[in-house]
Formats: sequence, C-alpha cells, structure tokens
Amino acid sequence: GQNIDQPTEMTATEGAIVQINCTYQTSGFNGLFWYQQHAGEAPTFLSYNVLDGLEEKGRFSSFLSRSKGYSYLLLKELQMKDSASYLCAVKGGNTPLVFGKGTRLSVIA
Amino acid sequence: SAVISQKPSRDICQRGTSLTIQCQVDSQVTMMFWYRQQPGQSLTLIATANQGSEATYESGFVIDKFPISRPNLTFSTLTVSNMSPEDSSIYLCSVDGLAGSPEVEQFFGPGTRLTVL
Repeated sequence: GQNIDQPTEMTATEGAIVQINCTYQTSGFNGLFWYQQHAGEAPTFLSYNVLDGLEEKGRFSSFLSRSKGYSYLLLKELQMKDSASYLCAVKGGNTPLVFGKGTRLSVIA
Repeated sequence: SAVISQKPSRDICQRGTSLTIQCQVDSQVTMMFWYRQQPGQSLTLIATANQGSEATYESGFVIDKFPISRPNLTFSTLTVSNMSPEDSSIYLCSVDGLAGSPEVEQFFGPGTRLTVL
C-alpha cells in the first residue's frame, strides 16, 4: 500500500519563505509530484522529482530523498496568490498518482 | 500539455438517479484515470480507464456503482449510479502518457461538481 503524510494547514507571511514537507511509504517508486490547487479549480502541476536532490523552478523548489521517503516544496517570496492547497503525490511503478491529503497554505499580509 | 474537457461542469441530481460524466482529451493518451475529491479533501483514485477492456478499480470502488467506458484513446465516461448524498463530490478526469511527449506529469480536467439531494 501507499501512505503519504503532509501537514494539514500552514500560514506564512507575504514575502517570506515556506517549506511544506511530505513523507511517503510506497511499494515501488516512479517519482514524486507536487501540485497546486486553488479552491474550486483543478490541480496544476508544479514539480517532479525522481532522483535525490533539489529541483528549482523560479520561486518554487522541490527536494527529494528517496532513502528517507521524504520531500519538501519550498516557496520563496510568497505572494497572496500562493494561498492554495499543495498536494504531494507519488507514482509507484506503473500505477497512477496517489495523493496525500494536501496542505492548505494561507499567505497573510 | 493536454487540454481536457469534462461535461457537465456541474449538476444537481436526485437521490437514486444516475449521472454520466464525459471526459474528452485533445490528443491521444495512454492512460486515463478518474478521481473523486470530496469537500475539503484531497483526491482519491476511483479507477483506471482501460481502452478496450474493463476498468481497474481501486479498493472501495466497484463497477456496479461507477461503470466506466473508454472506447478510444481520447475519450472516457464515468457513471455515478444510484446516487446518494454521500456521492456529492467533484469528479476529475486525469491523463498521462501523451503520444510523442516526454512529459511525465498527469494532467487534470476541470472537474465535474456533483450535488445529490
């Protein structure tokens, strides 16, 4: 089976940096994904890690440690529009994505 | 990337009735999936829609309740049968394996918001 854990809610200040952690246990591993979902909208792809290390894409970075079953999403220079749910998802082998429960991020002024 | 459309975008249905949701992709894809997202929750995989054969259902979901069709590489339907208020949810179509594309991500349709009275 698969088990994916991430915090339920986080709050951060505009302009700051926030790190959202995700731990996972899966049978088979073919990549870890982060999605952003604004209320009432479909999830949109943010990042993908399959090898250990940091992937940077603009204000967003994602880190993976396969040996620890751990990932984080780092958001820099937070903006109000970054208020959303952030979903950690794992692809195991040839299976579709399995999602964690999501972290609701609130960015405050 | 893939452009995915779903019909209907939302519906309000009576208990005991059935609703069929359509998913259309603008390019051929290898894999199509159906997810459910209940209010305030994350996404739960219902099934993988297989072309030319029966869908593969996840634990807790059965074909009699959620029949799925996939007649070709760009289209699938999900039916929510004999609905109850507990079926009120957003149903999302998702795809990956775009023909000729190296992209690894799964793309999501806009979702169908279902309310059962």
